[in-house]
Amino acid sequence: DSGVTQTPKHLITATGQRVTLRCSPRSGDLSVYWYQQSLDQGLQFLIQYYNGEERAKGNILERFSAQQFPDLHSELNLSSLELGDSALYFCASSVDSESGGSEQFFGPGTRLTVL
Amino acid sequence: GQNIDQPTEMTATEGAIVQINCTYQTSGFNGLFWYQQHAGEAPTFLSYNVLDGLEEKGRFSSFLSRSKGYSYLLLKELQMKDSASYLCAVRDSNYQLIWGAGTKLIIKP
Repeated sequence: DSGVTQTPKHLITATGQRVTLRCSPRSGDLSVYWYQQSLDQGLQFLIQYYNGEERAKGNILERFSAQQFPDLHSELNLSSLELGDSALYFCASSVDSESGGSEQFFGPGTRLTVL
Repeated sequence: GQNIDQPTEMTATEGAIVQINCTYQTSGFNGLFWYQQHAGEAPTFLSYNVLDGLEEKGRFSSFLSRSKGYSYLLLKELQMKDSASYLCAVRDSNYQLIWGAGTKLIIKP
């Protein structure tokens, strides 16, 4: 158990809908990362938040957005869903600091299925 | 651009040794990570190298050569449970992790 929690574990929805994925980082970790992993594909970095502020952006679509709240939990919002958005969405957290990063600990993931 | 290369798939025999290579071209270097990921599960941290040389951790070892932009993960005494994908990731000058596509390791009895 990495200490990172994600809910829900599974999500089935229809095209055009909007969903919210939730992540709670390990106690003491200030950074949260979101990744997308499609079937048999590598990890695609979406976005990173550090202590409430956006720190880095990867290949995140405009239909997707995220935020990190004062208690450091994070939410990833996916809207106007398409079939191709079906994937495993991982959240990871790390201690990090203003000047650098440490190893990332991954949550169990949310499996999103868009029908 | 930034690039990390790993073989897509490798096959090895139970009890044997396998070496998974990773070459990288990134803007700056602040460490290299190896993660293991079983199908449908979260990646788990295996090792971290920031200086040249070999880091040993039980049956797993990781080597780094910064001048060659090269690392390998060595797995000894392979077990069936080692069947998984192995991900190489490099932290660049902005302290962002750049991920390889992963190497799927298949262990045969």
